[in-house]
Amino acid sequence: AAGVIQSPRHLIKEKRETATLKCYPIPRHDTVYWYQQGPGQDPQFLISFYEKMQSDKGSIPDRFSAQQFSDYHSELNMSSLELGDSALYFCASSAGNTGELFFGEGSRLTVL
Amino acid sequence: AQSVTQLGSHVSVSEGALVLLRCNYSSSVPPYLFWYVQYPNQGLQLLLKYTSAATLVKGINGFEAEFKKSETSFHLTKPSAHMSDAAEYFCAVTFNFGNEKLTFGTGTRLTIIP
Repeated sequence: AAGVIQSPRHLIKEKRETATLKCYPIPRHDTVYWYQQGPGQDPQFLISFYEKMQSDKGSIPDRFSAQQFSDYHSELNMSSLELGDSALYFCASSAGNTGELFFGEGSRLTVL
Repeated sequence: AQSVTQLGSHVSVSEGALVLLRCNYSSSVPPYLFWYVQYPNQGLQLLLKYTSAATLVKGINGFEAEFKKSETSFHLTKPSAHMSDAAEYFCAVTFNFGNEKLTFGTGTRLTIIP
């Protein structure tokens, strides 16, 4: 069965550069969530989209922005990267009131 | 605010022994509770979920958890540990079923001793 696809899996950037992460949800899933997991930390909710509209917002820095496109894929854009942005970024998708998030394998961002 | 607390950031058990990973939640309304497992360099996989139906929930890989309202707990157990169970386990909560913005605990790293 198709899973949540994230790209790239690994990304290395310099400070002050920009980065874009992509997420392709499971087909027919209408909600996408972004989480950030720092080294040895629990995943922290960043932002979510339902039917291409932002549905909730967590601890997402102002330097970050995200959107969901007409094909339901989502992109997380990060600018003015800082060392502290180094983390594993997870995307998850869900469909309706199932009570379950399906996570991708994550995109590991390293900022040097 | 909703939260979960996982007691013990590291737990070690012998192969074949009982696995018990603790999770307590803080809430004034009925929660929806989840356990996720994360293997190294992989995403989070749902083990099981409590959504106000049966209080004893059975999940994948032989894991189960019991929702105890009186103790505000949702501990994860497995009768007999297997080497393949070594991973990081996260308890998570939401109070808005259908908007699964989860709040995760800090995680418990399970080590299996041969």
